[in-house]
Amino acid sequence: DAGVIQSPRHEVTEMGQEVTLRCKPISGHNSLFWYRQTMMRGLELLIYFNNNVPIDDSGMPEDRFSAKMPNASFSTLKIQPSEPRDSAVYFCASSLYGEGDEQYFGPGTRLTVT
Amino acid sequence: SQQGEEDPQALSIQEGENATMNCSYKTSINNLQWYRQNSGRGLVHLILIRSNEREKHSGRLRVTLDTSKKSSSLLITASRAADTASYFCATGSIWGGGADGLTFGKGTHLIIQP
Repeated sequence: DAGVIQSPRHEVTEMGQEVTLRCKPISGHNSLFWYRQTMMRGLELLIYFNNNVPIDDSGMPEDRFSAKMPNASFSTLKIQPSEPRDSAVYFCASSLYGEGDEQYFGPGTRLTVT
Repeated sequence: SQQGEEDPQALSIQEGENATMNCSYKTSINNLQWYRQNSGRGLVHLILIRSNEREKHSGRLRVTLDTSKKSSSLLITASRAADTASYFCATGSIWGGGADGLTFGKGTHLIIQP
């Protein structure tokens, strides 16, 4: 298996622009997670889905952030409008609930908002 | 908010020595997991220990869990230069049954001197 795939790997955008991050989980996994990593705040859970349904989005910092999972093999995290403080590495992870619970992380998207 | 707190924040040892990292957490958990992150890369799952377990081994890794003290330790024996990385503990809440997102600590940066 190719593992969790994220795109783009790097994104540089100007403040106010819309940013869309993409994730393809491991085939057969039924849970998907979005995390953000910064030096100041470490790794934070933003939102997670079970069987394509959003379960907990309490970690989403503001209404500017939204996430969707239209099917079992694809998820997006959108920031609109973006701000410099959104600069971070965004990770997607997937797991197979009930079969171990360990999470498999993608390589991350490094977002820079200028 | 950060649940896990790793100790020490940084650790430098000679190759071949054992490395011990500690993690404390605040709330009741379903499981505790340890992850490794090499610089600029995603997180790699190392080991998971459930709340009803006290010790677990995987290769050169040994994890202990003390739920009464809300603490865990990760021991890496016979360290190698390739073990240089940041190590994070992460907890799954008791309410999530293993299906929810993880709460990460800020990590221990381990440097193995050749």
